[in-house]
Amino acid sequence: QVQLVQSGTEVKKPGASVKVSCKTSGYNFIAFYINWVRQAPGQGLEWMGRINPKYGVTEYAQKFQGRVTMTRDTSISTAFMEISSLKSDDTAVYFCAREDSDEMSRGYSIGWTIWFDPWGQGTLVTVSS
Amino acid sequence: SSELTQDPAVSVALGQTVRITCQGDSLRSNFASWNQQKPGQAPRLVIYREDDRPSGISDRFSGSISGNTASLTITGAQAEDEADYYCNSRDSSGDYVFGTGTKVTVL
Repeated sequence: QVQLVQSGTEVKKPGASVKVSCKTSGYNFIAFYINWVRQAPGQGLEWMGRINPKYGVTEYAQKFQGRVTMTRDTSISTAFMEISSLKSDDTAVYFCAREDSDEMSRGYSIGWTIWFDPWGQGTLVTVSS
Repeated sequence: SSELTQDPAVSVALGQTVRITCQGDSLRSNFASWNQQKPGQAPRLVIYREDDRPSGISDRFSGSISGNTASLTITGAQAEDEADYYCNSRDSSGDYVFGTGTKVTVL
């Protein structure tokens, strides 16, 4: 079955960097985008960006531009997400998720639908001095 | 990026029906998927392609969309449906966005 397994809990000091991994199995790794989503304590889900594993092309949410780097290693079917210059409000659970998408008719036009399935189990990153 | 707005919380009596809505301008031209999240767990997809369910998801869950509003309906709610629910979609800039989330309580 399709699985995404993430690396373990991290504790970092402000200003440091952290790199989270997302090891995939059960499907062709290069055929689906991997997205990264975070959730601060007691808060909702926040989309951070995504990577095309086939070409390594990335798209980042504006909020994370310049501070987040998403990469992948196709030889081990694993995606990575690194955040630099960590601050206390980066304390969150970070999830990876496989993206799928489709075009669908919507009245007289074509609409786009995307979905994330499955999700990794999450990685808690705590930033504290 | 654009926002997707959800009611913060709804409650439903055991066995009754509840509808959760997700509003946003981007939904006039795109569709939403829905994710369920229970405390301490990763989100799980429950509805995609407007009204399709992944394998293993109960047929109590259904989806629809009209205008700028997507809806998730739970028909005959069970105790195990108590969770947070998040819609997500693509906005006009190409970014992805999640709804603000709805906490469903089953009474």
